Order: sequence, then C-alpha cells, then structure tokens
Amino acid sequence: EPEVTQTPSHQVTQMGQEVILRCVPISNHLYFYWYRQILGQKVEFLVSFYNNEISEKSEIFDDQFSVERPDGSNFTLKIRSTKLEDSAMYFCASHLTEQGHEQFFGPGTRLTVL
Amino acid sequence: AQKITQTQPGMFVQEKEAVTLDCTYDTSDPSYGLFWYKQPSSGEMIFLIYQGSYDQQNATEGRYSLNFQKARKSANLVISASQLGDSAMYFCAMREGYNYGQNFVFGPGTRLSVLP
Repeated sequence: EPEVTQTPSHQVTQMGQEVILRCVPISNHLYFYWYRQILGQKVEFLVSFYNNEISEKSEIFDDQFSVERPDGSNFTLKIRSTKLEDSAMYFCASHLTEQGHEQFFGPGTRLTVL
Repeated sequence: AQKITQTQPGMFVQEKEAVTLDCTYDTSDPSYGLFWYKQPSSGEMIFLIYQGSYDQQNATEGRYSLNFQKARKSANLVISASQLGDSAMYFCAMREGYNYGQNFVFGPGTRLSVLP
C-alpha cells in the first residue's frame, strides 16, 4: 500500500542551525502539507502546497520556514535558524483530490533543538 | 473559542469492552468533515474514520464507528471490543469546507489505556 515517508525520523540540532526535513508524498497526490505537534499538544497546521506553490500558511510559518518540491517527488520543509521552541514532531501529509477526505500522514520527524 | 473539544484527557477501558471517546465541535459552515486519528506511542498519525456533514448515516470502519449527532455538534468515536493495541492518543479533527489548511483543526486528544 502506498505511503508517505519522512526522513530523518529524529533530528537533533543546535539552536541557530538550519535543518531540512524531507518527505516523499504518495506519488500521484497533488496536495501537500506540513503540520507540527509540540510534545503533549495538538497538531497544528503550518503550510499547504499545491501546483508548486504555497496555497496557505499559518502564522507559525514565518520567514524562518520555507518549503519546496525540488524534483517532483520530495517535499521539504526548511527551518533556517532553529529556535528552542521549534522542537516538535513535524508531520508531512498528502492527498489526491481537493475534496478527497482521506489525507495520508507520514510517520513524522521528531526535531530536537538544543 | 475552541473549534474542537475533547473533554476526556484520559480514559481507561477493559479489554474486549466498548469505549466512547467524546468530541464536540463548533462551526457555522454547513459543509464540514469530521475525522478521528489514532497516535500510538511511536508517534505516527493513523487515520481511522471520516464523517461528512451531509452524510445521512453514521460512519463505520471495522471496530470503529462514529456517533454523529449533528444538532448537538458531537462526533463521538466508539471502539467496540477494545484490544490492547488500541492504547494510544486519539484526536478528533474538523475540516471546514474542503480545505485541509487553516480550516483543518485538531482537538487536544484523549489518551486511551486498554487494561488486560
């Protein structure tokens, strides 16, 4: 069964460093997302991406964040200068059609900023 | 105001018993969808069940069913015949319209523990 994959599963970085979180959505999906879940809290929307551009972003997604789909398969989230409060689980998700109700989540990347 | 409320931070259930996890929501959009996800200790988010606002019947998926009471704005998850592997966090979520962006919000979750 096709699935969304994410790498790495766990990333540890020093405050101020850049990190890139990678996702490979399901191959024929068209809509891509990043979500964040701070430990013990609820899942929060960061950004949505369609047709090679950001379609929506939350107030969390500030200038330190960027996304791109460089090669038609990978979907990356970059944090330019990490802060302690960026420590969280980051989920990538995708779905096929605009009105499709099943959004597939990846297994997540746990980011720890020291 | 919270869009999704899950009033039970933790629940216990005996193995093989049924359990209901509560979820109430708040929206003025006539088109919305309600979702339940399971998050085991390993961290991944597993889609369980979906209910559309226009669906006439309650959604069911195997041992999962959604008790949808539209007038009360509740969408409780019922797990029948609980198994030890059902121990996890359970999140209710709502999508207003057909957009998974800002209009897709999660509740705070309920931690379910299944006792042998």
